[in-house]
Amino acid sequence: SAVISQKPSRDICQRGTSLTIQCQVDSQVTMMFWYRQQPGQSLTLIATANQGSEATYESGFVIDKFPISRPNLTFSTLTVSNMSPEDSSIYLCSVKDRGQSPLHFGNGTRLTVT
Amino acid sequence: AQSVAQPEDQVNVAEGNPLTVKCTYSVSGNPYLFWYVQYPNRGLQFLLKYITGDNLVKGSYGFEAEFNKSQTSFHLKKPSALVSDSALYFCAVRVPGGDTGGFKTIFGAGTRLFVKA
Repeated sequence: SAVISQKPSRDICQRGTSLTIQCQVDSQVTMMFWYRQQPGQSLTLIATANQGSEATYESGFVIDKFPISRPNLTFSTLTVSNMSPEDSSIYLCSVKDRGQSPLHFGNGTRLTVT
Repeated sequence: AQSVAQPEDQVNVAEGNPLTVKCTYSVSGNPYLFWYVQYPNRGLQFLLKYITGDNLVKGSYGFEAEFNKSQTSFHLKKPSALVSDSALYFCAVRVPGGDTGGFKTIFGAGTRLFVKA
């Protein structure tokens, strides 16, 4: 199964700044996704990172706030822009590698906005 | 709307006893169903999936799940619980989304399992 490296693992940021989270996969994958999870809570899908085209955002998430890049089949970034304390959460990268395989997850980025 | 529900926030069971974590779903078409587990301060790990075929699916760590189409359920089970099974469990369903012909996975609220020694 795919091995996912997500960086940074955690960060503490000031209100109004931006943070870019990187997701690197050790093999080419067909689909990459970004989720948000409050500690101990469920996962909420932010967007599907499409290779070669704009990301597909879920209801409640917009490109200006969460710009996503996916320049190739092994790498994606999620930026959390103009952060506020409400953005404090765990951000998870996940991938699906082939066929009917399940999602694989990175270890997440724990973001705290002060 | 397509969704997945986990009606129990928490399940408590004594070590050695059987455990069940409940999941129901609402999707159009044939469901692709999954169970994931999250141990404290760790990422999500895949446990098992149902795509088609036998309604009883076996997965990692001795877990199994039974797909019941008439009851639209996919309950997670284990015959004999271990203290180390204590974790947060998520049921998930794959639905159409993303790019044309793509899909996305939506997760239930999660059920916290406590296994007492």
